[in-house]
Amino acid sequence: EIVLTQSPGTLSLSLGERATLSCRASQSVSSSYLAWYQQKPGQAPRLLIYGASSRATGIPDRFSGSGSGTDFTLTISRLEPEDFAVYYCQQYGSSPMYTFGQGTKLEIK
Amino acid sequence: EVQLVESGGGLVKPGGSLRLSCAASGFTFSNAWMNWVRQTPGKGLEWVGRIKSKTDGGTTDYAAPVKGRFTISRDDSKNMQYLQMNSLRTEDTAVYYCTTLQGYSSKYWGQGTLVTVSS
Repeated sequence: EIVLTQSPGTLSLSLGERATLSCRASQSVSSSYLAWYQQKPGQAPRLLIYGASSRATGIPDRFSGSGSGTDFTLTISRLEPEDFAVYYCQQYGSSPMYTFGQGTKLEIK
Repeated sequence: EVQLVESGGGLVKPGGSLRLSCAASGFTFSNAWMNWVRQTPGKGLEWVGRIKSKTDGGTTDYAAPVKGRFTISRDDSKNMQYLQMNSLRTEDTAVYYCTTLQGYSSKYWGQGTLVTVSS
């Protein structure tokens, strides 16, 4: 089973700052299989990035994804008020078929 | 507009059964691969299982913790997906989400339905 470890657990930043969130896999993951989601309190997760670097429909270009192998990054270039949320990475593998990281909470400093 | 609406959650005793439904609209449901994902405060997001479109075989896959107890099905004539949950355990307590699969990610999510397994 591939385990995804996200860091940091909590990230405290101010509006307008750049956020860098990490997702590290216990084994190599195809870039095609890596996705990022945003979840706000009381809401379902929302797909942000798929294929490690492709933005989902309607996602602002301040969100970008990068990485390969075992290290992947979600970057938010300039934080807006609506960006403060929990972010999860997810990979597609064999068994279990889909696994998620434990999440990074992005909070206002 | 794509909509996924889950229903059927509630309180059930350990060992009991529950069937969740997911009503889909705004896209061609018969072509879609569908997923169930659950979320608990302690374990975070956990994949439950998926069903392929009938065109692609209509087969199902399950996570190890639910295999043999949960069954996913679909009714393309009604644009519905179902999750039959038997032999429920306390650790199955979670919010259950219905999602569409696009490639290797869940593109659209429902609002979730809460299942509580407790005596």
